[in-house]
Parts: sequence; C-alpha cells; structure tokens
Amino acid sequence: SQTIHQWPATLVQPVGSPLSLECTVEGTSNPNLYWYRQAAGRGLQLLFYSVGIGQISSEVPQNLSASRPQDRQFILSSKKLLLSDSGFYLCAWSVQGDLTDTQYFGPGTRLTVL
Amino acid sequence: RKEVEQDPGPFNVPEGATVAFNCTYSNSASQSFFWYRQDCRKEPKLLMSVYSSGNEDGRFTAQLNRASQYISLLIRDSKLSDSATYLCVVNRYNFNKFYFGSGTKLNVKP
Repeated sequence: SQTIHQWPATLVQPVGSPLSLECTVEGTSNPNLYWYRQAAGRGLQLLFYSVGIGQISSEVPQNLSASRPQDRQFILSSKKLLLSDSGFYLCAWSVQGDLTDTQYFGPGTRLTVL
Repeated sequence: RKEVEQDPGPFNVPEGATVAFNCTYSNSASQSFFWYRQDCRKEPKLLMSVYSSGNEDGRFTAQLNRASQYISLLIRDSKLSDSATYLCVVNRYNFNKFYFGSGTKLNVKP
C-alpha cells in the first residue's frame, strides 16, 4: 500500500530564516506530487505541483520554491521566511493519468513564523 | 469566478439530524468529483468519490448533477463524530490539478 510522509510535523522559525520541508511517497511510482498551504481557518491553496523529476509548476508567485530531486521526493524551500508564510503545509500525491483516482495527503507540517 | 464554491457554514445540527451540503463547479469539462473530510488541524481525507449515477456509503449519499454543475452530500442520522469540515473537490480531463472548495463546516451537537 502507498504511504506519504512529511517532516517535520511542527516548526517554529524566525522571520528571514530559511525553510526546507520534505515529503516522500512510498509504494507507488511516477506519482503527481503537490504542495498546498492552508492558512488558519482558510481553504487549501495550491502552491506547486510536479508530474516528474525536475518538473515543477508554480501556481502563485511568492518567496517559496519547490524541487523534485527523485521520483518520490518533493521538497518545499524558502531562502527567507515572511510572517505571511505561517500555515499548515500539506503534501499530496495522485496517480498520473487516472481520473478516477484522487489525491492523498500527508499529515502536514504546521509552520509558525515569528 | 472560483472553480468550486461551497457554503462555508457552519451548519449546526442536533444528533440524528439529516444534513445536506451543496457545491457548484464552474468548468463543464470537470470529470471527477470527490468529497473530503477535514478534522481540525488534520489533513483532508477522502470521504467518497461522486459518480454520475449517485452513490451511497452507509449514512452518506453523494449526487452529481452535470447539467446544473453541482454536487451534493447528504448525511443521515448525524453523529457527534461527523463534526468536521467537508471539502468538495473536482478534477478535469487531461489536467493534473485538483480544485478544492473552501469547505463547509459541520457541527453536530448532543
């Protein structure tokens, strides 16, 4: 069966510090991978998605970036965090080309920028 | 216009009540439809897929109306444990993105 891991679970960082969040998927090959952010009390905002190694699509301009160095690894980064970067960061995967399948989420990282 | 729209609620209902949520989507090319449940401070989890013929899973029934571009979720005999936010999600042919509604909050009270 497939599983998705995210770490860390919680993170408190000062403004201006760098960020690196990691997501890995097990039990599947060539998945679509996604990063979402959810601000407190708000809906999900798609940040990035990837259909393959090195292929990243950015949905909103911001000070975040994403990379996919391996098939089942997705990394979210920032060089300098802003207060507005606080939120719940969720990684998700889906099966490529299968419309009947859906997205599965990792447990998330709760980021607080102070 | 948003891809997917939902009434944010909250819906406050007593235990045992029947409650219905609706969701509308703007793009007629949407092909796949889902309901997710999100508990407070947790990740969204798939509740059920929505098929054209409608489908039922225990106390939950999902319906799709392609002509009117809306999806519904009916919960019968509400339990306290049904309290959560319910997210409507659509996907389009040949696209890799899923479009999420902002969610409808349900509070089931004793």
